Amino acid sequence: DTGVSQDPRHKITKRGQNVTFRCDPISEHNRLYWYRQTLGQGPEFLTYFQNEAQLEKSRLLSDRFSAERPKGSFSTLEIQRTEQGDSAMYLCASAQGGDYSIQYFGAGTRLSVL
Amino acid sequence: QKEVEQNSGPLSVPEGAIASLNCTYSDRGSQSFFWYRQYSGKSPELIMFIYSNGDKEDGRFTAQLNKASQYVSLLIRDSQPSDSATYLCAGNTGNQFYFGTGTSLTVIP
Repeated sequence: DTGVSQDPRHKITKRGQNVTFRCDPISEHNRLYWYRQTLGQGPEFLTYFQNEAQLEKSRLLSDRFSAERPKGSFSTLEIQRTEQGDSAMYLCASAQGGDYSIQYFGAGTRLSVL
Repeated sequence: QKEVEQNSGPLSVPEGAIASLNCTYSDRGSQSFFWYRQYSGKSPELIMFIYSNGDKEDGRFTAQLNKASQYVSLLIRDSQPSDSATYLCAGNTGNQFYFGTGTSLTVIP
């Protein structure tokens, strides 16, 4: 257990529904990342927060995806109008500030869109 | 397009042998490189990171970085069956991290 927790662990939804995932980082970590991983692929960067500020967002990320990190603590990732192609593992990672951003990953939320 | 390329394998080595995993990257601006191990159905866990040219050793693991050739490698000495996993290479440019597709390693007892 890395200390990064994600909820829920599994989510099954119907196409067109909205889903929201939560990530609680390691408490002293001010950096938080979201990734998406599909079978046989490496994690794909989605977005990055430093404290409460969203500083980076993948240009490939659909506008159906939005993320927040109010007060610089936990973060949420929302997917609106889900599509079957959204089915994946959604991973959250946190890191302390510093030069090398060693990231610790949560167990992930597996999304299945039917 | 920033990319990290890995040979997907599978790579099989006998127990006790050296496993060599390789990775190339396209962005010369990439600053640091990371090796993660991922067991099936689990999340990635960090093994090592390296940011300077040369070798960095940690126990049975040695990471090598050659910025001129844009090449990163991971050597696992005295491979154990518990090392069987997918190994992900990642690089970062600023706050964005780029992962390879991973190399599947099987250590045969």
